[in-house]
Amino acid sequence: KAGVTQTPRYLIKTRGQQVTLSCSPISGHRSVSWYQQTPGQGLQFLFEYFSETQRNKGNFPGRFSGRQFSNSRSEMNVSTLELGDSALYLCASGNSGGNYGYTFGSGTRLTVV
Amino acid sequence: GEDVEQSLFLSVREGDSSVINCTYTDSSSTYLYWYKQEPGAGLQLLTYIFSNMDMKQDQRLTVLLNKKDKHLSLRIADTQTGDSAIYFCAETLSGGSYIPTFGRGTSLIVHP
Repeated sequence: KAGVTQTPRYLIKTRGQQVTLSCSPISGHRSVSWYQQTPGQGLQFLFEYFSETQRNKGNFPGRFSGRQFSNSRSEMNVSTLELGDSALYLCASGNSGGNYGYTFGSGTRLTVV
Repeated sequence: GEDVEQSLFLSVREGDSSVINCTYTDSSSTYLYWYKQEPGAGLQLLTYIFSNMDMKQDQRLTVLLNKKDKHLSLRIADTQTGDSAIYFCAETLSGGSYIPTFGRGTSLIVHP
């Protein structure tokens, strides 16, 4: 079956702009989580969506938001970009409980200049 | 707390066994996981172990869990150059959201 698809793979944005990243989970998976990965902070949890509702949220400012559509595809948006938002953004999909582990996409590499 | 700690680097010779270690602080961990990340890629789930198990074996991979010491290890037998990657330990907590907390990752370097 197809894996988790994230688009685009690479993005370069300017400070102050906004960006939208997309994630298509594995067919049948209703949970989609987003992570930010940086060399300094490692993997940090942003939020999780399940059946179009945000079910869990990490400790990120309100500039980071997301949503999930009825087909389980998810988008995350970052407004007013800062240099420190440069990172690899990873999406993960899972079954309803997620307790058997998540399947990750290849990520979107965001560079803010 | 929810800290998961790993050593940052491990270097082994091809054909040897690799042992990657992880410690966690929360005794209510339910599931513990090992993920692998190759350059330019996302994380790949290698294996997981439920907290009431001591050991799990899957081909070249052996996971050992010591709940008393809150210590998890991943042993890779007959390590190959293709095993060079970053390995992440992660835990989820009972009564929680099943959102895993990840360690910082151990970079495994396999040299000939």
